Amino acid sequence: DVKVTQSSRYLVKRTGEKVFLECVQDMDHENMFWYRQDPGLGLRLIYFSYDVKMKEKGDIPEGYSVSREKKERFSLILESASTNQTSMYLCASSLFRGYEGGGTEAFFGQGTRLTVV
Amino acid sequence: ELKVEQNPLFLSMQEGKNYTIYCNYSTTSDRLYWYRQDPGKSLESLFVLLSNGAVKQEGRLMASLDTKARLSTLHITAAVHDLSATYFCAVDGKSGFSAGGTSYGKLTFGQGTILTVHP
Repeated sequence: DVKVTQSSRYLVKRTGEKVFLECVQDMDHENMFWYRQDPGLGLRLIYFSYDVKMKEKGDIPEGYSVSREKKERFSLILESASTNQTSMYLCASSLFRGYEGGGTEAFFGQGTRLTVV
Repeated sequence: ELKVEQNPLFLSMQEGKNYTIYCNYSTTSDRLYWYRQDPGKSLESLFVLLSNGAVKQEGRLMASLDTKARLSTLHITAAVHDLSATYFCAVDGKSGFSAGGTSYGKLTFGQGTILTVHP
């Protein structure tokens, strides 16, 4: 079974703190993703990474950065946490395939509910 | 920019009834995924649809994909309480990163449909 593990289920941080959310996958997937989930908005992509040290911005990257130093680990960094970053954060991973190569179903971690006070 | 829209966003059903959730998307894609999320939990993969006309069934749920209409449906047959959850569709659009159109599995999600099944 694919396992995607996020380091914390719940976090409470203060405004202005630097926050690290960690994600580890054990299936040797090339792709890793960070999504943010808010009621009524679905899941919105913050950043994704398709290889070690490679990253691309998603739809809402402002206020976030990422790090991928090893294939199995993808970190999301809130440089200076703000209250509007209070949300559920979901990490996911998937295999890389060329477009003709089949599906790229993503597997999700259990989520981190971050509250910024 | 790929946009994915689900409707309805809220669905209250009686047990035993049938209903359909719709997922429309804005650009060409032949890869669509359905996920289920229980309250407080993460997303669980339900269906992977990889071609026009694809149909998958699991228990009381059946998903289909019409790439020409850019539409997927999730049909619920004879609903039971255990199906109460939030259902998301997600579309895998071609990434703009590679001129060859290589996909990275960059999924764009719909807003989700909150399904409640009542006795």
